[in-house]
Amino acid sequence: DTEVTQTPKHLVMGMTNKKSLKCEQHMGHRAMYWYKQKAKKPPELMFVYSYEKLSINESVPSRFSPECPNSSLLNLHLHALQPEDSALYLCASSQPGQGADEQYFGPGTRLTVT
Amino acid sequence: GENVEQHPSTLSVQEGDSAVIKCTYSDSASNYFPWYKQELGKRPQLIIDIRSNVGEKKDQRIAVTLNKTAKHFSLHITETQPEDSAVYFCAASSPGRRALTFGSGTRLQVQP
Repeated sequence: DTEVTQTPKHLVMGMTNKKSLKCEQHMGHRAMYWYKQKAKKPPELMFVYSYEKLSINESVPSRFSPECPNSSLLNLHLHALQPEDSALYLCASSQPGQGADEQYFGPGTRLTVT
Repeated sequence: GENVEQHPSTLSVQEGDSAVIKCTYSDSASNYFPWYKQELGKRPQLIIDIRSNVGEKKDQRIAVTLNKTAKHFSLHITETQPEDSAVYFCAASSPGRRALTFGSGTRLQVQP
């Protein structure tokens, strides 16, 4: 299995809702990433997990809360979001170490905050 | 931190022509430089990458060159086809920070 999967594909939520985005990979990768991509912009790094530990938090607001329950799963919990948080949220994975830095992206979750 | 600049922002070529996209990076410790292709509404897909111990890499119609001294790298697409039309992103990462910093993207349009 050489794929990163994400659910849901689309999500519409109000500013008072709580929702979660899910990401899964079965490539044995031990690094997983969350990126945010606005229209016509490059992906922007949010969080990095390496060996299930949070290694990078790019000063992301606390209304975004990542979780890595095991080496195959990555969640992003959302609470009290703002309309400007509407974007494509991409998950990626890679195998850290030995220069193997290839990151593979999931299809993304398109989030709309109303 | 790392800063990656990419140009041009848009590129229009005729089918069969070559296309070149250029990126510069700021962190001399960066050692991995991938290129991603993103079609509208799709995920970024890794199309080719190069590491700092190599100057050039080819894969069929696609090639990437790296000049470490000048801190720039380029994507070359030969014999372009309409299906090459997409947004292309360059990126860089370093051993100390295993996360990608992306360039701003180039929208390539191949006219049939």
